[in-house]
Amino acid sequence: GEDVEQSLFLSVREGDSSVINCTYTDSSSTYLYWYKQEPGAGLQLLTYIFSNMDMKQDQRLTVLLNKKDKHLSLRIADTQTGDSAIYFCAEYRSGNTGKLIFGQGTTLQVKP
Amino acid sequence: EPEVTQTPSHQVTQMGQEVILRCVPISNHLYFYWYRQILGQKVEFLVSFYNNEISEKSEIFDDQFSVERPDGSNFTLKIRSTKLEDSAMYFCASIHDSYIGYTFGSGTRLTVV
Repeated sequence: GEDVEQSLFLSVREGDSSVINCTYTDSSSTYLYWYKQEPGAGLQLLTYIFSNMDMKQDQRLTVLLNKKDKHLSLRIADTQTGDSAIYFCAEYRSGNTGKLIFGQGTTLQVKP
Repeated sequence: EPEVTQTPSHQVTQMGQEVILRCVPISNHLYFYWYRQILGQKVEFLVSFYNNEISEKSEIFDDQFSVERPDGSNFTLKIRSTKLEDSAMYFCASIHDSYIGYTFGSGTRLTVV
């Protein structure tokens, strides 16, 4: 199939870790991305991972990639109320100019 | 930090009217894209543009849609005769030449009434 899949909703308490999961379909994807969308705002690139990597850490963010299972996760440590947003997983699909294929987004709710 | 700028932020139009959504990509970027997001749904690829022509388009991008880069800085999406189902957030994006450089604008919310 063509779809990138994510769970729709995650609720955590402030200070806890959040883990947002994603499965993708194209085993030849070279780059995978996480974007953040705050209410009424655009898409902000949070982080990305190249397909030859298993893990990437960037401050509070950790991305894990399991190529065998085509599974990508985003862990946010010490989640804050400002992290409340929709998080989109996206895979790069090659072509004439390439394009991003997005998941449906995971709404992260952070409770104080 | 360079930005992709989109105008207007919100447009309301009557069904059957033509609309033009405008984008100013980052100045040294070479590849330009339009995506759309119907409320509560996925962000979907519409079209990519390179070297003054369409490189790829999705099934959504039918004859009602067109894109143009009229003056070397603006990148526009025209919908000739809007339908209710065209109501969505439309995002413009651009990259230079690397996979990691996709920069999205803040979007135009189009409401067709």
